[in-house]
Amino acid sequence: DVKVTQSSRYLVKRTGEKVFLECVQDMDHENMFWYRQDPGLGLRLIYFSYDVKMKEKGDIPEGYSVSREKKERFSLILESASTNQTSMYLCASSLYHRGTGELFFGEGSRLTVL
Amino acid sequence: AQRVTQPEKLLSVFKGAPVELKCNYSYSGSPELFWYVQYSRQRLQLLLRHISRESIKGFTADLNKGETSFHLKKPFAQEEDSAMYYCALCGGPGGYNKLIFGAGTRLAVHP
Repeated sequence: DVKVTQSSRYLVKRTGEKVFLECVQDMDHENMFWYRQDPGLGLRLIYFSYDVKMKEKGDIPEGYSVSREKKERFSLILESASTNQTSMYLCASSLYHRGTGELFFGEGSRLTVL
Repeated sequence: AQRVTQPEKLLSVFKGAPVELKCNYSYSGSPELFWYVQYSRQRLQLLLRHISRESIKGFTADLNKGETSFHLKKPFAQEEDSAMYYCALCGGPGGYNKLIFGAGTRLAVHP
């Protein structure tokens, strides 16, 4: 079974703090993604990466950055957390092959910014 | 612009009733469409993809390019079908598999 692991399930941070969300996958997938999930808005893509050290902006990259130093690990960074970044963050991975459409998701990291 | 619209936030039915979760899309090329499901306290997971033309857990979905729709259907709902359902469109080039999701529809099946 593909396993995508998000190290932090619940975080509470204060406005202005730097936040790291870590994601690791164990199936040698090329693609990795960070989405945020909000009620009524669905999933919105923040950033994705198709190779080590490669990254592409998604639909809502403002206020976020990412790091992919190793193939299995994709980190989401909030340089200065704000209250509007309170959300559920989902990491996902997939093979680099168009048409499969199968993203494997982690359990999510629920971030609250006070 | 690429977009996925799920007009219903909540669909509430009784066990045994037919279910149709609506999905409309906007995409200039040849679309690749998917349904994902999230059961309570579980990860989001793929339910079915249009290219497979398969039935999973009794659900089917047909791509209608004329109406730009990909509605999810099941003839007889079960209580275990209660979950959050997301329609998704593959919008990225090459093998990126970048998915654009709709807002989701919560299906509640009552006994």
